[in-house]
Amino acid sequence: AQSVTQLGSHVSVSEGALVLLRCNYSSSVPPYLFWYVQYPNQGLQLLLKYTSAATLVKGINGFEAEFKKSETSFHLTKPSAHMSDAAEYFCAVSARSGSARQLTFGSGTQLTVLP
Amino acid sequence: SAVISQKPSRDICQRGTSLTIQCQVDSQVTMMFWYRQQPGQSLTLIATANQGSEATYESGFVIDKFPISRPNLTFSTLTVSNMSPEDSSIYLCSVDQPGAEAFFGQGTRLTVV
Repeated sequence: AQSVTQLGSHVSVSEGALVLLRCNYSSSVPPYLFWYVQYPNQGLQLLLKYTSAATLVKGINGFEAEFKKSETSFHLTKPSAHMSDAAEYFCAVSARSGSARQLTFGSGTQLTVLP
Repeated sequence: SAVISQKPSRDICQRGTSLTIQCQVDSQVTMMFWYRQQPGQSLTLIATANQGSEATYESGFVIDKFPISRPNLTFSTLTVSNMSPEDSSIYLCSVDQPGAEAFFGQGTRLTVV
């Protein structure tokens, strides 16, 4: 069994400030972890993924996430927010691969970037 | 990466009617998936659509309510039948390819009035 908890359904940051979106997971086997972004009126786009290699994962658009097994966390960060980062972000866990059949999603975090 | 096109992108429907959502992929894929995203909630897998066989439904979803077709390796439809306001959601089509992550369509935003 696997689950994902995203802390904070809405996060607001000022442009240029640090972005931190929190994700905690639960999995009975070593997990694969993903962050997806959903821009308004668009589908989900993969930001980055952890598949048991390096614990610090770099993704697109300057985002990165660190897998911390001891904390069962996979928080998403970006050093400096840009207005174009405003979107909804989903953390997801998979027990085996990135197959959509096995993905369990968090409830999402809406990121607002203030000028 | 796969390019997925969904139609319609949004619709407003009367309760009791049905809506068929189309999903077209630019390459052949074995499995296609349909998700529902209710307002303020996570994505939930409705069913897996396999070409040449019946769709496999997840717990809580039934074929009579969400009939699925998969006539070939690049196309699938999901019908939301006898709609009620509780069916108002975003419906997403997804595919995965060997060795790659899941790809999603843009979604269909359905409002039932």
